[in-house]
This record gives sequence, structure tokens and C-alpha cells, in this order.
Amino acid sequence: EPEVTQTPSHQVTQMGQEVILRCVPISNHLYFYWYRQILGQKVEFLVSFYNNEISEKSEIFDDQFSVERPDGSNFTLKIRSTKLEDSAMYFCASKAVRSANSPLHFGNGTRLTVT
Amino acid sequence: ILNVEQSPQSLHVQEGDSTNFTCSFPSSNFYALHWYRWETAKSPEALFVMTLNGDEKKKGRISATLNTKEGYSYLYIKGSQPEDSATYLCAFPGGATNKLIFGTGTLLAVQP
Repeated sequence: EPEVTQTPSHQVTQMGQEVILRCVPISNHLYFYWYRQILGQKVEFLVSFYNNEISEKSEIFDDQFSVERPDGSNFTLKIRSTKLEDSAMYFCASKAVRSANSPLHFGNGTRLTVT
Repeated sequence: ILNVEQSPQSLHVQEGDSTNFTCSFPSSNFYALHWYRWETAKSPEALFVMTLNGDEKKKGRISATLNTKEGYSYLYIKGSQPEDSATYLCAFPGGATNKLIFGTGTLLAVQP
């Protein structure tokens, strides 16, 4: 069964550094999402992406964050200058259609640790 | 602000016990309610997507019911097994892109 893949599985970085988290969504999916979970908290929506542009973003997704689909297969999340509070598990997800009853397919996540 | 709540936060049961947990969500503007199962070190995996009031869905020993008028869904596990140990998340689609708004999850630990 096709799956969403994320790399790396774990990233340790120093405060102020840039990180890029990578995702390869399922190939025939058109809608892409990033979520994150800070330890002990809810899974939070960051951004949705369709047709090569951001379609919705949360308050968390400020100017330090950006997303890109550079080559038609990879979907990346960049954090320009990481803060301690960016430490979290970041999940990429995709789905084929936008409808509310279409389930999301998640990757295994990237655990980001900012020191 | 849409809010999705789950209870209990965690549950410890013995193998063979049956268990259930609750998800409550806004009852207005309802489109669907999603349940996901999230095992440690794996990706969250869709269990059910429920859309109709009174709906009941089943997958093996796991089933779920839906009450859209009062805004709750129950997830039941019959005869829990250690492999059922996971976090069970419910989520409510909202916003322009039907992004999922997640509850806090229920962490289930099944002891052999």
C-alpha cells in the first residue's frame, strides 16, 4: 500500500539554525498538510497546500515557516530560525480529495529537537 | 474556535477487557468525524470516518458510534489485546480546507 514518507526521522539542531523537513506524499494525492505535536499537547494543524500554493495556515505558521513543493514529489517544511519552542514531532499528511470525509494519510513524523 | 475533547486521557486495562472512550465535538456545521489509531513510532492510521447521525462502524473488535445532534462519538474495543495499545485520536474537519482539528487523544495500555 502506498505510504507517506518523511525524512529525517529525528533532527537535532541549535536555536537559530534553519531546518528543512522533507516529505514524499502519496503520488496521486493533491492535498498536503503539515501538523505538529509538542510533547503532551494536541496534534496541531500548521498549514495546508494545494496546487502549489498555501490554501490555509494556522497562527503558529508565522514568517519563520515556509512550505514548498520543489519538484512535484517532495513537500518540504522549512523553519528559518528555530526556537526552543519549535521542538515537536512534525507530521506530513496527504489526501486525494478535499472532502471532509476523506481520511488523511500520515507519515511517521520527524522529531525535531532544538537545543 | 472549534474544540474537540476526548476522555479519558489514558486508560489501563487487562487483556480481554472491553473498553470504550469518548470524543465530543461541535454539533453545528457537522460534516464528518474521524478516528485514528496511533501506535508508538508509527504514523497515525485512519480507523473510521463517520458522517451520518446514528452511524455505527466496525473493524474487527473495534467499533464506533456517532451522535451528531449532541456532538459525541464513542469508540469501543471488545476483548482488548496488547496489540490494541495505542493512542486513539478523534478529529473534526473544519475551515476552508477541511483541515482536521484533533482531540487530545486517549492513550490505551493493554496489559497481558
